[in-house]
Amino acid sequence: EVQLVESGGGLVKPGGSLRLSCAASGFTFSSYSMNWVRQAPGKGLEWVSSISSSSSYIYYADSVKGRFTISRDNAKNSLYLQMNSLRAEDTAVYYCARARILSYAFDIWGQGTMVTVSS
Amino acid sequence: SSELTQDPAVSVALGQTVRITCQGDSLRSYYASWYQQKPGQAPVLVIYGKNNRPSGIPDRFSGSSSGNTASLTITGAQAEDEADYYCNSRDSSGNRLFGGGTKLTVL
Repeated sequence: EVQLVESGGGLVKPGGSLRLSCAASGFTFSSYSMNWVRQAPGKGLEWVSSISSSSSYIYYADSVKGRFTISRDNAKNSLYLQMNSLRAEDTAVYYCARARILSYAFDIWGQGTMVTVSS
Repeated sequence: SSELTQDPAVSVALGQTVRITCQGDSLRSYYASWYQQKPGQAPVLVIYGKNNRPSGIPDRFSGSSSGNTASLTITGAQAEDEADYYCNSRDSSGNRLFGGGTKLTVL
């Protein structure tokens, strides 16, 4: 079964750091671009970051540029998001999502992990 | 930066046809994809590319595009189609974009 499972969410104080992980299974992880998408409580989807299959191309939303770092380990079938200098507005459910090959459509999503930034 | 604009809410009578639209300059160059999200669940891809449905998506869902506007059409809406729908595309810099979402109510 094709599956993405996020972990690492939790409660963190403003200015703090957190590292999210996404474990992939059921497909050849190293062949796919991967993404992080977040959703603040009661709000819409917001794209956060993308990384190509070999990590050659990396993109960030302006709202997280300079604070978040996306990475992947193809040997471990894992995607990561290092989040530093966290703000209250970063509070959201964070989803990892797979992009279809030769497409930017997100065809597989994890169930998400909640990040709460509060003092 | 580029944006995608959706109507916040749309309603449709059971069994009727509804069109949900998404506008943005990037849509002149790149196809939109569409996602359905029900409360407490992760989004699900329903349309991608010119008009492609992933396996398991009913054929009452279809997509189209003209100029700067992409559309998701549900022909014969069912009660289970009540959900939030988001469009998604990319801009020329490689950044991905989401529309603000449309809440579909099936009456």
